[in-house]
Amino acid sequence: DGGITQSPKYLFRKEGQNVTLSCEQNLNHDAMYWYRQDPGQGLRLIYYSQIVNDFQKGDIAEGYSVSREKKESFPLTVTSAQKNPTAFYLCASSTKGLPWLAGNTDTQYFGPGTRLTVL
Amino acid sequence: AQSVTQPDIHITVSEGASLELRCNYSYGATPYLFWYVQSPGQGLQLLLKYFSGDTLVQGIKGFEAEFKRSQSSFNLRKPSVHWSDAAEYFCAFNDYKLSFGAGTTVTVRA
Repeated sequence: DGGITQSPKYLFRKEGQNVTLSCEQNLNHDAMYWYRQDPGQGLRLIYYSQIVNDFQKGDIAEGYSVSREKKESFPLTVTSAQKNPTAFYLCASSTKGLPWLAGNTDTQYFGPGTRLTVL
Repeated sequence: AQSVTQPDIHITVSEGASLELRCNYSYGATPYLFWYVQSPGQGLQLLLKYFSGDTLVQGIKGFEAEFKRSQSSFNLRKPSVHWSDAAEYFCAFNDYKLSFGAGTTVTVRA
C-alpha cells in the first residue's frame, strides 16, 4: 500500500536532548513537509522540501532541523534550542517539486503523526 | 493577508441530523480550497478539494462542500451524520503555501 509512515507514534524526551522524528513515503512524491499542531492553533509549517538535497524554512523553523538525502525520507530533528517542543508533529507529501507559485493546485497527503512530549 | 477562518470552534450534532461546517477565506483571486478531517490522535485525511469548475464538490464519506465566491465561503455539509464523523475538521487553502484554519471539533450525540 502506498502511503506516508511516521515513527515513532509517541516519543518522550528529556529537556536538553535532541530527538529525531522519522517520515517515509512511498508515493514517489517530490515534495515533503513538516507541520506542528498545537490545540486550537491548526497546523503550522516547520520546514518543507521540494527536491532531494534541498529544503526551506517554514513559519516556525527555529529550534528544528531537517535533511532530505533521499526522495522518500524527510527526518525532522527537534533540537534543545526549541523552547516548547511538546506537540503533535505531522509529515505530509505532495506530487510536485516545482517552486511554489500563486494558485498552487498541489494536494498534500498526511502521515499519522508523532506525539512528542518533553519531560 | 490571505487567510482562512473557521468561525465555529465546536459543534455538537445528533446522530442522523445534518451537519454544516463554516469556512471563510480572504483572498484576492480564486483560491484553491480543501477540507481535511482528523480523528483523535491521527493524521489528516483529505475529504475534498476545490480548484475550479462546478462549485458543488463531492467528497468521501458522504461529504460535500459548496464554493460561494460572493460570500467568500467554502462550507462543508453532510446530510446525515454518523457517530464515526466525530472528529476535528480543517479548512485550508493553497496560495504559495497550504494555510489551515484553526479547526472545528464535531461531537456526535446518540
